[in-house]
Amino acid sequence: AQTVTQSQPEMSVQEAETVTLSCTYDTSENNYYLFWYKQPPSRQMILVIRQEAYKQQNATENRFSVNFQKAAKSFSLKISDSQLGDTAMYFCAFAPYSGSARQLTFGSGTQLTVLP
Amino acid sequence: NAGVTQTPKFQVLKTGQSMTLQCAQDMNHNSMYWYRQDPGMGLRLIYYSASEGTTDKGEVPNGYNVSRLNKREFSLRLESAAPSQTSVYFCASNIRGQSSYNSPLHFGNGTRLTVT
Repeated sequence: AQTVTQSQPEMSVQEAETVTLSCTYDTSENNYYLFWYKQPPSRQMILVIRQEAYKQQNATENRFSVNFQKAAKSFSLKISDSQLGDTAMYFCAFAPYSGSARQLTFGSGTQLTVLP
Repeated sequence: NAGVTQTPKFQVLKTGQSMTLQCAQDMNHNSMYWYRQDPGMGLRLIYYSASEGTTDKGEVPNGYNVSRLNKREFSLRLESAAPSQTSVYFCASNIRGQSSYNSPLHFGNGTRLTVT
């Protein structure tokens, strides 16, 4: 079974600064996906970024990028030039490449607050 | 194109009452899911339907039943609500092919359920 750990329940950052959210996972799988989802106060879950384990290059989506360290089983999210609209709960998630749907595992979340 | 639509948005039940949460997607996705979200625990899978006509238990299925009515609709029923079922419930959908996650999950806006 997989586990996903987000060790920072809450974080804050000043507007326009950079913040990094941590995520570690435990698995015996070699091929898998990793995700970061964002949940703003509206409650809508939104996919921020996705990384495929077989790709060495770190995924990037505009101001969001990841630092994927496969050997260390670490998958952190960096948000550059933080904006007030980035205030949300962020969830890290893991899915094995060839597993069943029940094997998508979420972390417990990190509440990020962007301060003006 | 509404995406994933859940109803109701809020519900209060007394212990022992029953209710059905409705979910519909208009993206022609073959797989649908029900999650519950509790503080400090991330999202946990209740039931899922890999394709029309099939349903399977997730991590926390006790006290729930589901129906995949057609390709668009996937409902979650609480037969006899208990306070432990107080939670936020999310429906999600995606396209699944040969690998587990060919596409990311699309979520509804959630239902906040309180059982007193």
